[in-house]
Amino acid sequence: SSELTQDPAMSVALGQTVRITCQGDSLRSYYASWYQQKPGQAPVLVIYSKNNRPSGIPDRFSGSSSGNTASLTITGAQAEDEADYYCNSRDSSSNHYVFGTGTKVTVL
Amino acid sequence: QVQLVQSGPEVKEPGASVRVSCKASGYTFTVYYLHWVRQAPGQGLDWMGWIHPSSGATNYAQKFQGRVTMTRDTSINTAYMELSNLRSDDTAVYYCARDRDASSSLDYWGQGTLVTVPS
Repeated sequence: SSELTQDPAMSVALGQTVRITCQGDSLRSYYASWYQQKPGQAPVLVIYSKNNRPSGIPDRFSGSSSGNTASLTITGAQAEDEADYYCNSRDSSSNHYVFGTGTKVTVL
Repeated sequence: QVQLVQSGPEVKEPGASVRVSCKASGYTFTVYYLHWVRQAPGQGLDWMGWIHPSSGATNYAQKFQGRVTMTRDTSINTAYMELSNLRSDDTAVYYCARDRDASSSLDYWGQGTLVTVPS
């Protein structure tokens, strides 16, 4: 089955921009979705179908994709954006779904 | 408003089975795929499979094939995930989540159910 690889940890200064990447072969065929998870809470969908935000998600969150890489960008990071972020997509070889390894974002 | 409410925490002996329920409200239960995802302590998200509540069709991740069964009761808008032959490494929070458009976008999640299997 396919894998989705993310950097384990990233940091960003308050108000600055951070881009989180997700790499995997399935991303050549399917869009990624992105989730934010804070400690002790269920994940929250922040981006779907490459660059669509669910209602209530701030517009500082945006998504993009190129080749086998999907990206989540937080423009003007806020303290409340400190969380774990996961990508996911369908697996192109098996019709299953797969999550990325996760990125812990620290806002300094 | 859309809600997914899961059953409470469970403690099970190794080799036993556990069934977690997920009651949906605020939308038409039979229209959307429902996924199950688990998260071991301190670890990432692990996709287990989905069920389509209308047909009962299921699709399980390879690693859980033979041990997981997903079912639903449309009369009470509830989905179930049963995991058998439990091991200590099955200790995790189990989530149900609604798929908004059958494209991996899980837009509503249950609160999670902690299943503990002592070693």
